[in-house]
Amino acid sequence: GDSVTQMEGPVTLSEEAFLTINCTYTATGYPSLFWYVQYPGEGLQLLLKATKADDKGSNKGFEATYRKETTSFHLEKGSVQVSDSAVYFCALLSGGSYIPTFGRGTSLIVHP
Amino acid sequence: DVKVTQSSRYLVKRTGEKVFLECVQDMDHENMFWYRQDPGLGLRLIYFSYDVKMKEKGDIPEGYSVSREKKERFSLILESASTNQTSMYLCASSLLRGTNEKLFFGSGTQLSVL
Repeated sequence: GDSVTQMEGPVTLSEEAFLTINCTYTATGYPSLFWYVQYPGEGLQLLLKATKADDKGSNKGFEATYRKETTSFHLEKGSVQVSDSAVYFCALLSGGSYIPTFGRGTSLIVHP
Repeated sequence: DVKVTQSSRYLVKRTGEKVFLECVQDMDHENMFWYRQDPGLGLRLIYFSYDVKMKEKGDIPEGYSVSREKKERFSLILESASTNQTSMYLCASSLLRGTNEKLFFGSGTQLSVL
């Protein structure tokens, strides 16, 4: 079956540091890939997505590229802020399905 | 602004009580979902529904049931609450079957069973 593996957290960074959160997946066919973010005390919200190989999703300075050859969708940001402190979830949605598969989430803590 | 609203932010119940968690969406979405979120375990799907009166079990349905009498409302029911059901519960909705439809989440209900 489908699965998503994320790096374990917490990831702790200083403000303005470079961020990478790794995500790899296993799926049949050609899934769509997502990053969701959960700020403290809130539900998840979509951060970015990519629907086909080599697509790059981007939003709020975050980027992720759909790499079919390595089955990866790593999240990156060039300069993190304290306000980016949250839990980040990688997810996939296989073709013809409407039930996403989520990774376990990675907590990011950014210090001033 | 589109919304998924969960009726309670915090809830404290006693073991054995019947508990109702309510979720309402205003986007005319066909799909609705109930997840529980626990530290280290991520999100686990309890039940989902793709239409009124339709429901299907997710990964951890034991001890839970659901009701969807109207398109906009999806209720999660704990028939007899137990302490191992203490968790954060998240409701979500999405448009009907599609390969790139995102989920919209509510803010969650933190349930404590004593």
